[in-house]
Amino acid sequence: EVQLVQSGAEVKKPGEPLKISCKGSGYSFSSYWIGWVRQMPGKGLEWMGIIYPGDSETRYSPSFQGQVSISVDNSISTAYLHWSRLKTSDTAMYYCARTLDSTDTWFGPWGQGTLVTVSS
Amino acid sequence: DIQVTQSPSFLSASVGDRVTITCRASQGINSYLAWYQQKSQKAPKLLIYAASTLQSGVPVRFSGSGSGTEFTLTISGLQPEDFATYYCQQVKTYPFTFGQGTKVEIK
Repeated sequence: EVQLVQSGAEVKKPGEPLKISCKGSGYSFSSYWIGWVRQMPGKGLEWMGIIYPGDSETRYSPSFQGQVSISVDNSISTAYLHWSRLKTSDTAMYYCARTLDSTDTWFGPWGQGTLVTVSS
Repeated sequence: DIQVTQSPSFLSASVGDRVTITCRASQGINSYLAWYQQKSQKAPKLLIYAASTLQSGVPVRFSGSGSGTEFTLTISGLQPEDFATYYCQQVKTYPFTFGQGTKVEIK
């Protein structure tokens, strides 16, 4: 069974760094793109970016370029979303998701979400 | 960026109704469109991809159509478990933008 398991909820202060994770299992991790999607409280879905673990090719939405970084560690089948300095406006639910097939398109399996709360 | 606009934003319907949601792209995206369902506080679920291909395990009352700039998601015979928010997403050009969502509520 394909599974994406995300790290637990985080409560952080503005200016702090944060890295959340998404561990894939039940498939060849390096062969499928993994993306990140933000959902702010009461709002819709926002596509943040996507990475291909096979060669670490990464694409970001202009809205998130420079604000976050996406990486992978193939040795432990895990993708990451990293902030160097959080802002209160980063408070949201963050989902990772894997593409349905090996092309960079629609998302099939999704993680359960990681709630990030940034407050002073 | 390609803008993706859904309509309506909110829809009130009864069990058994036929429901149609529209998604319009600001430029042609061929059939590079997906539909997702999201229930409260849960991760989205893929329903339809390539504009009209039903994802495995999704009930056949869900169907998708369209190409180019205009697409529709139809639920033929709304069931209680279908009350949720639905999103379209274009995957033709980065960034792969989502529509703003359509909330389907019980009348």
